[in-house]
Amino acid sequence: GAGVSQSPRYKVAKRGQDVALRCDPISGHVSLFWYQQALGQGPEFLTYFQNEAQLDKSGLPSDRFFAERPEGSVSTLKIQRTQQEDSAVYLCASSLAAGDDTQYFGPGTRLTVL
Amino acid sequence: GENVEQHPSTLSVQEGDSAVIKCTYSDSASNYFPWYKQELGKRPQLIIDIRSNVGEKKDQRIAVTLNKTAKHFSLHITETQPEDSAVYFCAALTGANNLFFGTGTRLTIIP
Repeated sequence: GAGVSQSPRYKVAKRGQDVALRCDPISGHVSLFWYQQALGQGPEFLTYFQNEAQLDKSGLPSDRFFAERPEGSVSTLKIQRTQQEDSAVYLCASSLAAGDDTQYFGPGTRLTVL
Repeated sequence: GENVEQHPSTLSVQEGDSAVIKCTYSDSASNYFPWYKQELGKRPQLIIDIRSNVGEKKDQRIAVTLNKTAKHFSLHITETQPEDSAVYFCAALTGANNLFFGTGTRLTIIP
């Protein structure tokens, strides 16, 4: 079946602009995660949803970052007033159930802030 | 919190030889340890995982070992092939359901 999808795949923003990144998890997957991957580094946890509930947002680097999953399926990561240090690949992952450990990743959105 | 260290950062092996990548973790509550392969510009792909109730798991040319006492786990790839060239990440899942990743190993298979 279809895997995790993300859009857009590439986004260029001017410093100060707001951006919205979309994640479509695997159908029926309860858990959804956002990660940030800087160039040459491993992914770093941002936030976690179980259905529509945001259970952990401890990894969000500042209050400019906001994530939502209002109907428990599609999720949007929003970054307000983007800064150059926000440039990274933003990865979304989903897993089948709350107690299921296996996370499947999307292709990511590469954000470049000029 | 959890801290995952991964070594080496780069590894070159002759085609057909074995490759070993090692990781250590700090949180004794971590109980699930996946390995992901990431090719340039692509998504991380799960290649093997191990849970804390077993010490070793094998899938064809790939194996993972876990030493809970020492808090380290390793990835072993045998009979390496050019298509094994990629960046490999280890990770540890904490009780908070978050994956903490290592910094990656760039594996190059020399034909």
